[in-house]
Amino acid sequence: AQSVTQPDIHITVSEGASLELRCNYSYGATPYLFWYVQSPGQGLQLLLKYFSGDTLVQGIKGFEAEFKRSQSSFNLRKPSVHWSDAAEYFCAVGAFQGGSEKLVFGKGTKLTVNP
Amino acid sequence: KAGVTQTPRYLIKTRGQQVTLSCSPISGHRSVSWYQQTPGQGLQFLFEYFSETQRNKGNFPGRFSGRQFSNSRSEMNVSTLELGDSALYLCASSFLSPGVTNTGELFFGEGSRLTVL
Repeated sequence: AQSVTQPDIHITVSEGASLELRCNYSYGATPYLFWYVQSPGQGLQLLLKYFSGDTLVQGIKGFEAEFKRSQSSFNLRKPSVHWSDAAEYFCAVGAFQGGSEKLVFGKGTKLTVNP
Repeated sequence: KAGVTQTPRYLIKTRGQQVTLSCSPISGHRSVSWYQQTPGQGLQFLFEYFSETQRNKGNFPGRFSGRQFSNSRSEMNVSTLELGDSALYLCASSFLSPGVTNTGELFFGEGSRLTVL
């Protein structure tokens, strides 16, 4: 069965510092991978996605992620964090089932940004 | 273009009652999925509808049901509510064409927060 692990429940960084959020997945085939962000009281917004091709993908808000098949990882990075990046971040893998696709999410990483 | 709209945003029910949540997808989107979000279990897939047909269902009891209408709007229903059903219920829509592989890009609404007392 497909699964996603986000090892860090909570991360705190200072504004302007770099950020890396970890994500490991388990999936039998070539995965479709996603990062979503959720601000308090809001739904989820797609940051970026990986389907195939270049393993380094660029997303919105200055985020990028790198797919490493050998490590089954899809870590999210940002070179300089802004206070507005404080939110919860979810990694997900797309799982085809019964002709449709569902997303299997990790438990999320809550990001706190210190001024 | 309007986003995914979920109603109501907040509601409080008591154990044993039932609840119906509504979701209007982005115009042109034919696939609607529902997810339950709780602090303990995280985001869990409930079901997915496409062209009024349920194509995929998560591991939830039969008390959880849904449907989709011809205009792609969707409702989900939870009967005989339990305390553990307290959660944020998120609806997501995506654009799908027959025979086209789903890109997996879901557009989420802001959710309906259900509290069961």
